[in-house]
Amino acid sequence: EAQVTQNPRYLITVTGKKLTVTCSQNMNHEYMSWYRQDPGLGLRQIYYSMNVEVTDKGDVPEGYKVSRKEKRNFPLILESPSPNQTSLYFCASSSQPSREQYFGPGTRLTVT
Amino acid sequence: GQSLEQPSEVTAVEGAIVQINCTYQTSGFYGLSWYQQHDGGAPTFLSYNALDGLEETGRFSSFLSRSDSYGYLLLQELQMKDSASYFCAVRDQGSGAGSYQLTFGKGTKLSVIP
Repeated sequence: EAQVTQNPRYLITVTGKKLTVTCSQNMNHEYMSWYRQDPGLGLRQIYYSMNVEVTDKGDVPEGYKVSRKEKRNFPLILESPSPNQTSLYFCASSSQPSREQYFGPGTRLTVT
Repeated sequence: GQSLEQPSEVTAVEGAIVQINCTYQTSGFYGLSWYQQHDGGAPTFLSYNALDGLEETGRFSSFLSRSDSYGYLLLQELQMKDSASYFCAVRDQGSGAGSYQLTFGKGTKLSVIP
């Protein structure tokens, strides 16, 4: 089954404690991206990747890091989380950036 | 830069037709996409328009006018299950010719009432 998986689905952490949210896709897609979703603000792109070792900033990259060492995986790293990073995070992949994005189930992060 | 404008909320009656508009401002244009998101769920792809005109997929249609920087999603024969948020999205070259950034509108919450 074609899918994008994210882990964990829910995470509560404290300010400053480094965390990683994993994302994996099994569709051999080249394009992957991370979004955060906040009430009233829609989906905002954090980072995207066009291929292995190729990443670039989206609209709201501050406080986040990503890496793309393998085509299927695109982890999101928060090295020093802060409460304003409390949000719902989605990973997505597609064959082309303009085309159909396949979204993961989401990760709800709370930073206290 | 880029921006997309869509209504925040729309209410329609079951069985009716509803149109959700999206206007955009982008530096370079590569097509307009639409996504549906139910409460608690992930966005799912509905349609993509790269050229002017109407694309139909079952009860859903999407229209694009590049000259007007405008598109809409048309939902026919509304069903209760169509109650969801709908997002338009564009790829923009705002960050440069090599940019593959995607920008989403803030979403339109559709409520279908009996």
